[in-house]
Order: sequence, then C-alpha cells, then structure tokens
Amino acid sequence: DIQLTQSPSFLSASVGDRVTITCRASQGFSSYLAWYQQKPGKAPKLLIYAASTLQSGVPSRFSGSGSGTEFTLTISSLQPEDFATYYCQQLNSYPVTFGPGTKVDIK
Amino acid sequence: QAQLQQWGAGLLKPSETLSLTCAVYGGSFSGYYWSWIRQPPGKGLEWIGEINHSGSTNYNPSLESRVTIPVDTSKNQFSLKLSSVTAADTAVYYCATRIAAANYYGMDVWGQGTTVTVSS
Repeated sequence: DIQLTQSPSFLSASVGDRVTITCRASQGFSSYLAWYQQKPGKAPKLLIYAASTLQSGVPSRFSGSGSGTEFTLTISSLQPEDFATYYCQQLNSYPVTFGPGTKVDIK
Repeated sequence: QAQLQQWGAGLLKPSETLSLTCAVYGGSFSGYYWSWIRQPPGKGLEWIGEINHSGSTNYNPSLESRVTIPVDTSKNQFSLKLSSVTAADTAVYYCATRIAAANYYGMDVWGQGTTVTVSS
C-alpha cells in the first residue's frame, strides 16, 4: 500500500495568507494525486486532480504541484471560506489511500 | 453532471450486515468508477472499494473479506454490503464517482453521506 503523510497536520492562518500543505508518499508515482477540501458535516470536495489540474469551478487561488514522493497544495490568498480540512489522495495503485488531513484554522 | 443520492439503515447491532445504496441521477453509468468511502467520527477518510459499469471491483484489503459492492445498471444504482459489523465500523459512509478513462481523475461527485452507528 502507498502511505501518505501530510504536513502540517494543523495550520493556523489569517485571511490573505499564502498557505502550503505538503503530501508525501511512501512510494513515488507520477501525477495520480488529488486534493480535497472538507468542511464539517459535508462531503469532501475535489479541488485538484492529476497533481496540478484545477477542478472546474474551483477558484484559481488553489494550485497543486509535485511528482514522485512529494506534492503540494497552495492557497495563494486564504479566504474566509477556505477554513477547512484538506486531504490528499493517491490513485496510482490499489488500495486507493488518503492522507490524514490538514486542518486550516483561523488565527 | 451526475448527482448521487444514498440511503440505508443508520443503526445496526454488532454482527449484522451494513447495507447502503447509491443512486446515480443525470449521468451515464458507463465510463466511471463508483466508490464507497467512510469516515469514522473525528477521523480521516478511508477508501472501501469501487466498481465500474461492467462489474469489475477493487476492494481495500483491510475490508475485503467482509465487503461486496454490487451494481444494478438497470436502476443506475450501486450498493455497499459490509458483513459482521462491529463498533469499529461506525462512520459516515459516502458514495462517490470518478472518471474511469485514466487513474489521475479524482472523485468529483459525492453523495450526501449516511451516518451508520453500530451499537448493541
């Protein structure tokens, strides 16, 4: 199984801040990585797929990059609606796995 | 774009079988993977398994001995059956879908989630 770790696990930030979340994989792979945003009581929402492709309708302040064993999600200017938990997911091999999540909270 | 609506029993006793169904509205059933994911209270996401339109399945090895994901293409529905449940199976269960053409597509449509509690 490919294990995913995320750092940090918790992040306190202010509106307007640039935020970067890192996802590291136990085995390298190309671009089979997705990022999700989840708010309390809601289903996850797809933000990024193929490591760097923005899902339709997602604001351009979100971006993704990386390959191999290290991937990043960047929010260029944090907005009030962005306070949530973010998960990475690998689709390179079965079983599909998720990272443990990064909670972004208001400073 | 397809919408997913899910339903099923929310309270089970230990050793019973969890049964949930997810209906696909407004989209084609072929060309997609249809997945189940769960989230225990206060914890992260766990992929349970998926099926495609032709009935080919992949399951999480940690649950494989207890899981089946049948599909009913005539009704545009797929289901989750998890046998011999314990308190550790208490979670919110989600159905979701992704394009099957390539593995880099993420799960872009999700059901609303069903809270399942296992308690004696």
